Amino acid sequence: DAGITQSPRHKVTETGTPVTLRCHQTENHRYMYWYRQDPGHGLRLIHYSYGVKDTDKGEVSDGYSVSRSKTEDFLLTLESATSSQTSVYFCAISESQGLTNEKLFFGSGTQLSVL
Amino acid sequence: QKEVEQDPGPLSVPEGAIVSLNCTYSNSAFQYFMWYRQYSRKGPELLMYTYSSGNKEDGRFTAQVDKSSKYISLFIRDSQPSDSATYLCAMRKAAGNKLTFGGGTRVLVKP
Repeated sequence: DAGITQSPRHKVTETGTPVTLRCHQTENHRYMYWYRQDPGHGLRLIHYSYGVKDTDKGEVSDGYSVSRSKTEDFLLTLESATSSQTSVYFCAISESQGLTNEKLFFGSGTQLSVL
Repeated sequence: QKEVEQDPGPLSVPEGAIVSLNCTYSNSAFQYFMWYRQYSRKGPELLMYTYSSGNKEDGRFTAQVDKSSKYISLFIRDSQPSDSATYLCAMRKAAGNKLTFGGGTRVLVKP
């Protein structure tokens, strides 16, 4: 999957606990994204980063925070997990956001279950 | 109402048939259109990217955009069992970086 590693691949946690998902890329791409995928909703953007320490919110950012201290790593934290955050989480990267480059490369996903 | 609508399927076809997929959208600001393919337990991968109204071909795949009707399509000719996957449409406005995805259509190609 284009040099993108997500960890863990599966996680089960309890309501109220903090959870951190990690995305690691070896492509040196500038842009990194976190999406969640739920039945009937498709992929929805949570947060994205356009450089080290530069991040911005997506459409479903409540309850999530992110950090990017190195080009290759983008962390997604659920501050206090809720059952509504049970989902499959995908990390994606892209080289640029220019008009000619809409190519997002996705990782294999993290299945998160919040009980 | 969602900005992008896509029938979830499943769409089941025999091998060799033409697969026809489509998405409708409500926001005329969408200018760039993409189709992604997603195999089970994998991330989506970009199949087709189009900007203008009309057709774009790539091998067995044809993407069609009709901006006047706010309707996009993907056709897969000579379908193979390996085409069995979920197909997601995505689109973006001229300004900004956010992609809006459809919910995906699951396709099953039976040998």
